[in-house]
Amino acid sequence: DTGVSQNPRHKITKRGQNVTFRCDPISEHNRLYWYRQTLGQGPEFLTYFQNEAQLEKSRLLSDRFSAERPKGSFSTLEIQRTEQGDSAMYLCASSSGLAGVETQYFGPGTRLLVL
Amino acid sequence: AQSVTQPDIHITVSEGASLELRCNYSYGATPYLFWYVQSPGQGLQLLLKYFSGDTLVQGIKGFEAEFKRSQSSFNLRKPSVHWSDAAEYFCADRGNNNNDMRFGAGTRLTVKP
Repeated sequence: DTGVSQNPRHKITKRGQNVTFRCDPISEHNRLYWYRQTLGQGPEFLTYFQNEAQLEKSRLLSDRFSAERPKGSFSTLEIQRTEQGDSAMYLCASSSGLAGVETQYFGPGTRLLVL
Repeated sequence: AQSVTQPDIHITVSEGASLELRCNYSYGATPYLFWYVQSPGQGLQLLLKYFSGDTLVQGIKGFEAEFKRSQSSFNLRKPSVHWSDAAEYFCADRGNNNNDMRFGAGTRLTVKP
């Protein structure tokens, strides 16, 4: 169990550029979550995968955001045409077991700064 | 929709003193409640969770929390704080469909020597 890893850890980009983040969950965890955390706030849910299926998306996930988990293992989160308001920490978590009470294990996050 | 509220943005305690961090939830049914800790540059780490049974829950690092339905609270406690406990603490519950976590805004803990 090597934990959830995220890459890159930091990303600085100019407004209008596209960025992509990667999350590698704990192996054999079938659920994967993406959250966004802005300064001074708790994480906010963005989207959720069970295996390769994206089962839920938050209203926060505008059409500029897309997430994939093609083989049910790692996941990518892409933001197109970035805006300054996208600056935040993007957190990934994975879990397995009984839905609702299982522990979500979080990665260290990718901090995005849009200039 | 349920949500959690953490009334204290920032708390300072002296090392060795006791600690209580407040969390209030709003939900009709029995909620699934969690406390996470986040240190600078680190991901969130689960301290403890409650979903049924004994209302006093023991967690890691000497933390405990008590579920009080009458007060809609799930406060986190520690009898003696260590300098390494300085971090951000988040209370959370599960969404309606159990697919996501809903976090409070967090309480930042500072520990004085």
